[in-house]
Amino acid sequence: AQTVTQSQPEMSVQEAETVTLSCTYDTSENNYYLFWYKQPPSRQMILVIRQEAYKQQNATENRFSVNFQKAAKSFSLKISDSQLGDTAMYFCAFMTTGNQFYFGTGTSLTVIP
Amino acid sequence: DAGVIQSPRHEVTEMGQEVTLRCKPISGHDYLFWYRQTMMRGLELLIYFNNNVPIDDSGMPEDRFSAKMPNASFSTLKIQPSEPRDSAVYFCASSDLKSTGYQETQYFGPGTRLLVL
Repeated sequence: AQTVTQSQPEMSVQEAETVTLSCTYDTSENNYYLFWYKQPPSRQMILVIRQEAYKQQNATENRFSVNFQKAAKSFSLKISDSQLGDTAMYFCAFMTTGNQFYFGTGTSLTVIP
Repeated sequence: DAGVIQSPRHEVTEMGQEVTLRCKPISGHDYLFWYRQTMMRGLELLIYFNNNVPIDDSGMPEDRFSAKMPNASFSTLKIQPSEPRDSAVYFCASSDLKSTGYQETQYFGPGTRLLVL
């Protein structure tokens, strides 16, 4: 079975500080893609970052970076220099050869001014 | 590109009424997905299409739900009759198959917020 677990339902961080959101997954596949999506209060789902499982280098997009540990099946998201606009629900997801996405339950992040 | 377009953005209806949600995927994308998001169940995949053909509808909750994709640029999700427990945000997403054989990502529409009274 394919599962995605986000063990932190809620988190908060001071503006300009760094925060890390955790995600673990379970799959028997060897090749797959991992994603972090952001859902602000507007409810729009926005792709934050993507990681190919066959790449050892961690993906980075400006202030967002991931720590991908394939053996541990861990895929955490680090947000540096947090901004008020980062307040949102964050969903971890992965996709396997079946081309179907599996989403975690989300982590609600609040950036405190 | 305008992105994935969904209409209406908000829908309020009474129990028993028929509800039709619409989606226009990104041009050139050959996968289309319908998701439902609720506080209780999170984000659930209802059904997805590949080249206008339904591939997996195992997530459709019951016979009251139906989805169609008559052409590559349009899909509908219909609920008939609607019930209060159908109240949720319904997302449409689209993607295309890359040379790797994977979609690589899905692009979500803004969602339709449905309230059934």
